[in-house]
Amino acid sequence: ETGVTQTPRHLVMGMTNKKSLKCEQHLGHNAMYWYKQSAKKPLELMFVYSLEERVENNSVPSRFSPECPNSSHLFLHLHTLQPEDSALYLCASSQDKGSYGYTFGSGTRLTVV
Amino acid sequence: DQQVKQNSPSLSVQEGRISILNCDYTNSMFDYFLWYKKYPAEGPTFLISISSIKDKNEDGRFTVFLNKSAKHLSLHIVPSQPGDSAVYFCAASAGSGNTPLVFGKGTRLSVIA
Repeated sequence: ETGVTQTPRHLVMGMTNKKSLKCEQHLGHNAMYWYKQSAKKPLELMFVYSLEERVENNSVPSRFSPECPNSSHLFLHLHTLQPEDSALYLCASSQDKGSYGYTFGSGTRLTVV
Repeated sequence: DQQVKQNSPSLSVQEGRISILNCDYTNSMFDYFLWYKKYPAEGPTFLISISSIKDKNEDGRFTVFLNKSAKHLSLHIVPSQPGDSAVYFCAASAGSGNTPLVFGKGTRLSVIA
């Protein structure tokens, strides 16, 4: 148990579906992150939330929509995805936005068909 | 353009020998560097870090070396053990943590018994 829990672990969705990824942490951290890991690519930062406010959005297409209802929960809403969006989506948290030690979840393996 | 580069996608080492994983970076504003380790079906976990004011940091079998002039860091594992087999990610941060971590593509280490 890493302290950051992601659900579901695996997700297969069609291009017209709407689904959501969930991330939950009970570490008392104030910053949460979404990263995308595609094959043979670096982990790509998607979104950063600090104290429930989005502080960074790295030119992510609007078909990805994050939501942070409180400091313990982070969602990634998905709609009309493309097959190239298939990847491992990792959630992480840190004490604050300026903290270095991230705690990662196990990720959601997403396949878009 | 990748700011953090791990040019070796994989590395095989015999048990008991030294493993050396390399990482290069291009952003001279990076002032803190970390190594994360990732097992299959798990999220990355923090391994060791180094501040730009140091050139070496050691923690048990793991040592990270930083060469700022060459914009290069390396992770040494000695002696290597089969349980060290994993993907190792190099990460960097600029501005004393005010920017999120930037990751490399990772190097898959296989330690052969």
